[in-house]
Amino acid sequence: DAKTTQPNSMESNEEEPVHLPCNHSTISGTDYIHWYRQLPSQGPEYVIHGLTSNVNNRMASLAIAEDRKSSTLILHRATLRDAAVYYCIPTGGAQKLVFGQGTRLTINP
Amino acid sequence: EAGVTQFPSHSVIEKGQTVTLRCDPISGHDNLYWYRRVMGKEIKFLLHFVKESKQDESGMPNNRFLAERTGGTYSTLKVQPAELEDSGVYFCASSPWDRAYYEQYFGPGTRLTVT
Repeated sequence: DAKTTQPNSMESNEEEPVHLPCNHSTISGTDYIHWYRQLPSQGPEYVIHGLTSNVNNRMASLAIAEDRKSSTLILHRATLRDAAVYYCIPTGGAQKLVFGQGTRLTINP
Repeated sequence: EAGVTQFPSHSVIEKGQTVTLRCDPISGHDNLYWYRRVMGKEIKFLLHFVKESKQDESGMPNNRFLAERTGGTYSTLKVQPAELEDSGVYFCASSPWDRAYYEQYFGPGTRLTVT
């Protein structure tokens, strides 16, 4: 399993963009990069995934470095509901998700 | 579409007793996973079913834990006998067969407290 490094915590203001970084320098060539988040008192929730190209969906954007050793989850306009722990998870054929410590995101009103 | 449901939401038992947790995946999802978070630790994978078969049980901590998925629908996770270190939140997740590499849908979890 690829090792990931994320900041323990980040803070942002409501309606501002948030960039959550993740280093995954040991990622293998076939691993997808997944992002999940866990809101308080809930189970983890899928956010987005990508392989090589940048990806967008209704929740967020994922920017993947050209060498794939890092990625950034972008929340374009953070809301209070986006306060959660965000996990970057490289995943390959094993299918199981390996959660690290994640980044605790605080959103200020 | 109903999400993944887990029962009970919270269970308090004494050391040495038996507890059975249940997970109902999203209808039609062949993949079912169990994870848990013990106090202060990261969420850890326990095992993975494909339909009724155990695909990967490498995360099961010991033989006090027994998971079943009869008929390939709901799953149960039995802990017998429970120990103090089993306290934590147990999550179940499911995914369709053709999207196993993408998103897993998680339930709200069962909080287990062993006293």
